[in-house]
Amino acid sequence: AQKITQTQPGMFVQEKEAVTLDCTYDTSDPSYGLFWYKQPSSGEMIFLIYQGSYDQQNATEGRYSLNFQKARKSANLVISASQLGDSAMYFCAMPRIGGAQKLVFGQGTRLTINP
Amino acid sequence: DVKVTQSSRYLVKRTGEKVFLECVQDMDHENMFWYRQDPGLGLRLIYFSYDVKMKEKGDIPEGYSVSREKKERFSLILESASTNQTSMYLCASRGVNGYTFGSGTRLTVV
Repeated sequence: AQKITQTQPGMFVQEKEAVTLDCTYDTSDPSYGLFWYKQPSSGEMIFLIYQGSYDQQNATEGRYSLNFQKARKSANLVISASQLGDSAMYFCAMPRIGGAQKLVFGQGTRLTINP
Repeated sequence: DVKVTQSSRYLVKRTGEKVFLECVQDMDHENMFWYRQDPGLGLRLIYFSYDVKMKEKGDIPEGYSVSREKKERFSLILESASTNQTSMYLCASRGVNGYTFGSGTRLTVV
């Protein structure tokens, strides 16, 4: 069975600093993908970034990048130059093996950016 | 702008009541999901539907049922609400461009 682990329940960072949110995973599927979502206090899940297991380079989207270490089974999210609006819950997820691509989520990390 | 709409943002129900949580998507997606979100547990899949009238149990289906009579609407039903079903409920749909989530329904059962 697949499993996603986020070991940081909460993180506190000063504005403008970079922050790394940890995500480790376990899967027997040789081909897989990893998602990161942001959930602000309003509740909706916002897609941030995706990494495919066979992608040659680490994914980047603006201030978001993935530190993907396949051998270590980790896919850490890096947010550069953090902003107050980055304060939110962050979830790492991957599709479950089998049809329909049901997502398996980690426990989440609550990120707070301090002014 | 594609959307998944959950009918209620906040809901308070009494123990034993039958509760309906509604979710509507406007993207013609076949796959729709209901997740439950609890602190420290992340999101857990309750039920999933891959087509009209087709459904599949997720990881925590006990105490819940679902209905999908039309492609755009996926309803989660709490047959007899209990206090341990107090939680945040998130609906999602999936298409070729990935997943879209609703804003969630925060249900409190008293």
